[in-house]
Amino acid sequence: DIVLTQSPGTLSLSPGKRAILSCRASQSISSYLAWYQQQPGQAPRLLIYGASSRATGIPDRFSGSGSGTYFTLTISRLEPEDFAVYYCQHYGSSPTFGPGTRVDI
Amino acid sequence: QVQLVQSGAEVKKPGASVKVSCKASGYTFTGYYIHWVRQAPGQGLEWMGWINPNSGGTNYAHSFQGRVTMTRDTSMGTAYMELSSLRSDDTAMYYCVTMIMVRRAFDFWGQGTMVTVSP
Repeated sequence: DIVLTQSPGTLSLSPGKRAILSCRASQSISSYLAWYQQQPGQAPRLLIYGASSRATGIPDRFSGSGSGTYFTLTISRLEPEDFAVYYCQHYGSSPTFGPGTRVDI
Repeated sequence: QVQLVQSGAEVKKPGASVKVSCKASGYTFTGYYIHWVRQAPGQGLEWMGWINPNSGGTNYAHSFQGRVTMTRDTSMGTAYMELSSLRSDDTAMYYCVTMIMVRRAFDFWGQGTMVTVSP
């Protein structure tokens, strides 16, 4: 099974700064990677699919890149509502999620 | 608009079973698989399996095989997830999710159903 590892575990930044989150896969997964944002008390929300495509309604300050085993999610300028937990996910025969990165102030 | 509306919170004793429902609307129910994902308090996301609402075919994660059953009622546009032999570590929020507008990612989520297992 594919194992996803995310780093850092927690990212402490200020509004307006750039955030770079990483996700590493235990073996090549081509571009089959998605990113989700989860606010406290809410269901996750899809941000990025296919490693770099933004989901409907997602602001362009969110961007994804990577292929194979290494992927990044970049938030160009943090807005107050971006402080949340972010998960990467691979949809294979058994979909799997990374452990998450918390972005806080 | 696409909506997945789940049943309400449940409190169960260890050893019991729980059945969570997920009513779909705003799209063709039989056209898209429904997956179930759970999240223990303060923890990450765990995929449990999927059901094909058209055929009723299922695929369960290894860690849940033998304890989980996913079914559907096409006339009601509703999917169900039943988990048996509940343990305290099954305490979690359970989500039904689907892929409608994208491939290989979950773009629509139910609001979640909290299941608490307590003596």
